[in-house]
Amino acid sequence: DGGITQSPKYLFRKEGQNVTLSCEQNLNHDAMYWYRQDPGQGLRLIYYSQIVNDFQKGDIAEGYSVSREKKESFPLTVTSAQKNPTAFYLCASSLRDRPYEQYFGPGTRLTVT
Amino acid sequence: RKEVEQDPGPFNVPEGATVAFNCTYSNSASQSFFWYRQDCRKEPKLLMSVYSSGNEDGRFTAQLNRASQYISLLIRDSKLSDSATYLCVVALTGGGNKLTFGTGTQLKVEL
Repeated sequence: DGGITQSPKYLFRKEGQNVTLSCEQNLNHDAMYWYRQDPGQGLRLIYYSQIVNDFQKGDIAEGYSVSREKKESFPLTVTSAQKNPTAFYLCASSLRDRPYEQYFGPGTRLTVT
Repeated sequence: RKEVEQDPGPFNVPEGATVAFNCTYSNSASQSFFWYRQDCRKEPKLLMSVYSSGNEDGRFTAQLNRASQYISLLIRDSKLSDSATYLCVVALTGGGNKLTFGTGTQLKVEL
């Protein structure tokens, strides 16, 4: 079955540690995205990538880093510089010529204490 | 002012009711509009695009009013399974594939 997978579903970390969230898709989509969702706020774009080995900052990239070494994979690292890392992180992908029809993974709930 | 504004609800309606949600957007250059559905603690899923002339998909009707910069979603004959949060989403063509999400309107359909 084609789709997007994110792992783990729940992640707990201590403050000061970097953590990497996984996102894999087998939809053959060129574009991939990372969002975070906080209570009472809409999804906010962290980073996106339209093609392998290229990515752009979204609205709230500070404290995050990404890589896009393979078309299928777009991991997100939440660094210790991110001031409020506890959130629901969602990865999405789309066809390059239909960027607004984004398919989301099930998300990772990150809790940092 | 938020770029995309929605009434958070919740809207509690009986099964079979018709319910309408509105959404307003601030950037008049916005070109593409969508409704996504998000179940509790799940990922958002595209429900439907919103076209200038209005469009219908089964029990769901979406309308766009560019002059007043608002989008609406009408659900007829609501089902228990329609209970979810409905996200209004706006995009700028050429804006780097960026979608701007509203905070969502929560719908609860009850027996």
